[in-house]
Amino acid sequence: QKEVEQNSGPLSVPEGAIASLNCTYSDRGSQSFFWYRQYSGKSPELIMFIYSNGDKEDGRFTAQLNKASQYVSLLIRDSQPSDSATYLCASDTGRRALTFGSGTRLQVQP
Amino acid sequence: EAQVTQNPRYLITVTGKKLTVTCSQNMNHEYMSWYRQDPGLGLRQIYYSMNVEVTDKGDVPEGYKVSRKEKRNFPLILESPSPNQTSLYFCASSFSENTEAFFGQGTRLTVV
Repeated sequence: QKEVEQNSGPLSVPEGAIASLNCTYSDRGSQSFFWYRQYSGKSPELIMFIYSNGDKEDGRFTAQLNKASQYVSLLIRDSQPSDSATYLCASDTGRRALTFGSGTRLQVQP
Repeated sequence: EAQVTQNPRYLITVTGKKLTVTCSQNMNHEYMSWYRQDPGLGLRQIYYSMNVEVTDKGDVPEGYKVSRKEKRNFPLILESPSPNQTSLYFCASSFSENTEAFFGQGTRLTVV
């Protein structure tokens, strides 16, 4: 079982809609969770991080964490074509630093 | 400016010819890691280092070597590259094992 799992997509949403990206993790000891955005051929860049159960909002982005269900999600409100990218979920896995999921490709249709 | 610098950005080489990809960070981070990224497989960790002279294998270490002689530098060495090591490589650094990872610009390696 992969430590961090994501649906590869593509997830297609119309401009202005809410995009919902999901991630599950297997290590119950994981404490910190990250969402990165990656444009094709570029480096991943941090969008959000979350450590506590519940919701964390930053502008158009909301991260949600449910440790009981081992589930992390990212909501993007008012999606824009510039949000089209691959979104990587990551969690800490002990000494090894961050482990990443395979990413979900998001397409925002104008 | 805080950054992670990788070199080279692009490299084409032949099977068996030893190469080194350099990585340097200026944030005084303890942790450094190397990842490779292949279509559909996401970022897979090759090796990581928790501090100077302390390194350990990640998920896909075969065919790679690393060293951490100085805190800021973490080179990736391919002693005898093979075509299955053709990939996009990223170096990353972080303050600790559970904090944000900062990535280098990436190195696209082609082994023919």
